[in-house]
Amino acid sequence: GAVVSQHPSRVICKSGTSVKIECRSLDFQATTMFWYRQFPKKSLMLMATSNEGSKATYEQGVEKDKFLINHASLTLSTLTVTSAHPEDSSFYICSAGGGNSVTQYFGPGTRLTVL
Amino acid sequence: SQELEQSPQSLIVQEGKNLTINCTSSKTLYGLYWYKQKYGEGLIFLMMLQKGGEEKSHEKITAKLDEKKQQSSLHITASQPSHAGIYLCGADSPNSGGSNYKLTFGKGTLLTVNP
Repeated sequence: GAVVSQHPSRVICKSGTSVKIECRSLDFQATTMFWYRQFPKKSLMLMATSNEGSKATYEQGVEKDKFLINHASLTLSTLTVTSAHPEDSSFYICSAGGGNSVTQYFGPGTRLTVL
Repeated sequence: SQELEQSPQSLIVQEGKNLTINCTSSKTLYGLYWYKQKYGEGLIFLMMLQKGGEEKSHEKITAKLDEKKQQSSLHITASQPSHAGIYLCGADSPNSGGSNYKLTFGKGTLLTVNP
């Protein structure tokens, strides 16, 4: 299957700082990328959908000014958590899809801890 | 909105035993995906089902979608410790913002296989 990478895999930051997470599709062009958030022992919750070259579509209840998403190329999408707070601590996972395939391929996830 | 219910929530089996995980949708499914997740890691795509009555197998894992396209099952034959993890079913729905469908996930089934 297709390969999707995320960087960093783990990040610890102080409250009030911003953190950027990268999601890359390594062997295919991802026209659409999705960002999910997962709390311990909970399922994945879709945060936003990003299409290359256009603004991201955010799910209800997700603050677009807090979770900035950029999908500047067909292989890279970034999620920036601005002014992070301890309640933003979570596991963030991206997925990518593209071409004629409806299957989404997931990155390995990024564990964010805000102190 | 579409909701997926998975059962059981957790399952402990002895190595070599067969097991089944169920996923029931509140609405007719466009497509049903099965993923496996190791704790704290990304999701691994297992199979996708689209047609009523469809059945797919990969190694010792078989997934089925019922004729009404509202229920799917994942069956593992002769389970091994390597099968341990969290199994998630996901259903797609039209994504108005792009070419890929966004996924709604069940809460997952935690599988433990004792040697």
